[in-house]
Amino acid sequence: KNQVEQSPQSLIILEGKNCTLQCNYTVSPFSNLRWYKQDTGRGPVSLTIMTFSENTKSNGRYTATLDADTKQSSLHITASQLSDSASYICVVSASSNYQLIWGAGTKLIIKP
Amino acid sequence: NAGVMQNPRHLVRRRGQEARLRCSPMKGHSHVYWYRQLPEEGLKFMVYLQKENIIDESGMPKERFSAEFPKEGPSILRIQQVVRGDSAAYFCASSPPGWSYEQYFGPGTRLTVT
Repeated sequence: KNQVEQSPQSLIILEGKNCTLQCNYTVSPFSNLRWYKQDTGRGPVSLTIMTFSENTKSNGRYTATLDADTKQSSLHITASQLSDSASYICVVSASSNYQLIWGAGTKLIIKP
Repeated sequence: NAGVMQNPRHLVRRRGQEARLRCSPMKGHSHVYWYRQLPEEGLKFMVYLQKENIIDESGMPKERFSAEFPKEGPSILRIQQVVRGDSAAYFCASSPPGWSYEQYFGPGTRLTVT
C-alpha cells in the first residue's frame, strides 16, 4: 500500500535554531517527492520537488534531501523564524499515475 | 496573474442541505484537482478534472458527491444532503497540462455542517 509517514508529529523550537523533519515512504514506482508548507487556514505552498536522481535541493533556508534507496527524505530548516511556524507536508507522486500521496504533516512551532 | 481562487471561504450548511464549492484555476491551467482535509489529517485526493472531462474520481464518495469543470466558468464540487461527517476543508489545486507539473493550491473552503 502506498504510504507516506512523517516524524515528528509536532515540534517546538526556539527562534534562530535549526531543525530537521523526516519523511519515509513506501510509494512505488516512485516519480517525485515534494515538500509543502501549509500555514493555518491556508492552502499548501510548494517548497521543493525532487526527482529520483536528486539527492539534495535548497530553497533559501530550506534544504531537502532524498535517499531513493532507503525511501527517506528530510527537510532541514536553518536559522528558524517565527514565520516558519506551519505544518510541513511530505508528498510523494507515483509514476504510475498522477495522484499525490500525502503525509499527515509535521506541525512546527517557532517560539521567540 | 491571480492564483487559484476558491469561494466561498467558509460555508455553513444544515444536515440535508446542498453545498456547492467553486474553484477558478490559475490562468492557463486546464487541470483541476479537489482534495479534502479533515482536522489534524493530511489531504486526501478526491477527483481530477480537465475541461468538460472527469479524468479520475476514485477518491470521491460514490453517493452525494459530484464534480464538474465546464468549458466556461469555475469547477464545482457539489455535495448533496450533507451530513456532519462532510465537515472539512476542501482544497482545489490547478496545474498546466501534464500530471507531473506543480499543483498550485487555493485557500480552501471550510465546510461546517450543523
